[in-house]
Amino acid sequence: AQSVSQHNHHVILSEAASLELGCNYSYGGTVNLFWYVQYPGQHLQLLLKYFSGDPLVKGIKGFEAEFIKSKFSFNLRKPSVQWSDTAEYFCAVNAQRGTYKYIFGTGTRLKVLA
Amino acid sequence: GAVVSQHPSRVICKSGTSVKIECRSLDFQATTMFWYRQFPKQSLMLMATSNEGSKATYEQGVEKDKFLINHASLTLSTLTVTSAHPEDSSFYICSARDPRINTEAFFGQGTRLTVV
Repeated sequence: AQSVSQHNHHVILSEAASLELGCNYSYGGTVNLFWYVQYPGQHLQLLLKYFSGDPLVKGIKGFEAEFIKSKFSFNLRKPSVQWSDTAEYFCAVNAQRGTYKYIFGTGTRLKVLA
Repeated sequence: GAVVSQHPSRVICKSGTSVKIECRSLDFQATTMFWYRQFPKQSLMLMATSNEGSKATYEQGVEKDKFLINHASLTLSTLTVTSAHPEDSSFYICSARDPRINTEAFFGQGTRLTVV
């Protein structure tokens, strides 16, 4: 069955600490990969996406993610977090052909301490 | 960019009543919209695909008589939770596909439904 796993449900960091959130997916075909962020009371906002090409993708707000095909992983990273990064982060995939249905991970709640 | 607006953002209703949630594409025509539901500490799960002018396609295990979806225009899909019960309390989120963009859909801000 298709699935997306996010390993950390809650993460607490101090400002300036480095962040890495794990995401692994299980899917038989070629996928598009996404990281979304949801700040309290706000829209799900796209951080970055991978469709093809360079497996290291850079997104908004200093985030990046690396697609490792052999590991079925798409981990999110940020070298130095800020208090304003406190939010919930979702990894998601959709099939590259034809469908816009997303499969989401369970989400990771990040709290950054000032 | 493509903007999807969902209304209301929060709603509290009494058990046994029905609640309607709206999903609008503001700057594009959405032939296809999607409705997701998120239980606490769980993934967003796709409930149904809403196609303009035709019946929605429901995912396995989703009660179509419970969750009525109407996509009567190219910019509006509605989800009605009928005869709501406390177990229907959840976070509902819609997304819409902009036909000009082939790679992703765009999400509304979600609706927190609490049934008391």
